[in-house]
Amino acid sequence: QVQLQESGPGLVKPSETLSLTCTVSGGSTSGYYWSWIRRPPGKGLEWIGHMFYSGSTDYNPSLKSRVTISVDTSSNQFSLKVNSVTAADTAVYYCARDVSTFPHYYYMDVWGKGTTVTVSS
Amino acid sequence: EIVLTQSPGTLSLSPGERATLSCRASQSVSSNYLAWYQQKPGQAPRLLIYGASSRATGIPDRFSGSGSGTDFTLTISRLEPEDFAVYFCQQYGTSPRTFGQGTKVDTK
Repeated sequence: QVQLQESGPGLVKPSETLSLTCTVSGGSTSGYYWSWIRRPPGKGLEWIGHMFYSGSTDYNPSLKSRVTISVDTSSNQFSLKVNSVTAADTAVYYCARDVSTFPHYYYMDVWGKGTTVTVSS
Repeated sequence: EIVLTQSPGTLSLSPGERATLSCRASQSVSSNYLAWYQQKPGQAPRLLIYGASSRATGIPDRFSGSGSGTDFTLTISRLEPEDFAVYFCQQYGTSPRTFGQGTKVDTK
């Protein structure tokens, strides 16, 4: 079955760029939207945004100005970049696959285990 | 954005008992586009229910979802040992998608 695995630096300095990759195994990135979600310490989950394999994107307005999601179908991976990070970006970051029963309404059917990113100097 | 409030925060029950978890939305969830997930420590979240009441593939029938509008419920008819976990709801009818803060089901 499809499995997702997040990877990337666990520590990022303030004002720098957080970069994470999600590797898809047991399936293809083609034909799906792919999401990133995060959970700051002591807080609830926050949907960051998603991207269709062919390029269409949608981001949470709270992060839109600092976030880029990209998909690389040749390597079966998708990525997240968050610019100008602060301590508030410290969180467990999850990647997930989006599915829908009706166009434009997506929920996540497969998730990665998450990776912890700490923003600190 | 739609705020989802889950209650109770913690539910202490014994195996074999019935668990009833609530998820209340700050405004009506479009077309009942509400999902429920289970998460255990160190594991990926697992989709249980979508569309408020449809079970995801492979989910046992002891898990059921119900509700509409602003009030939704996840029911576990008889708790199995593997069901002790955190459960969270998520609405996907209005962007941005939002999540409840979770209900922990632990052993009494």
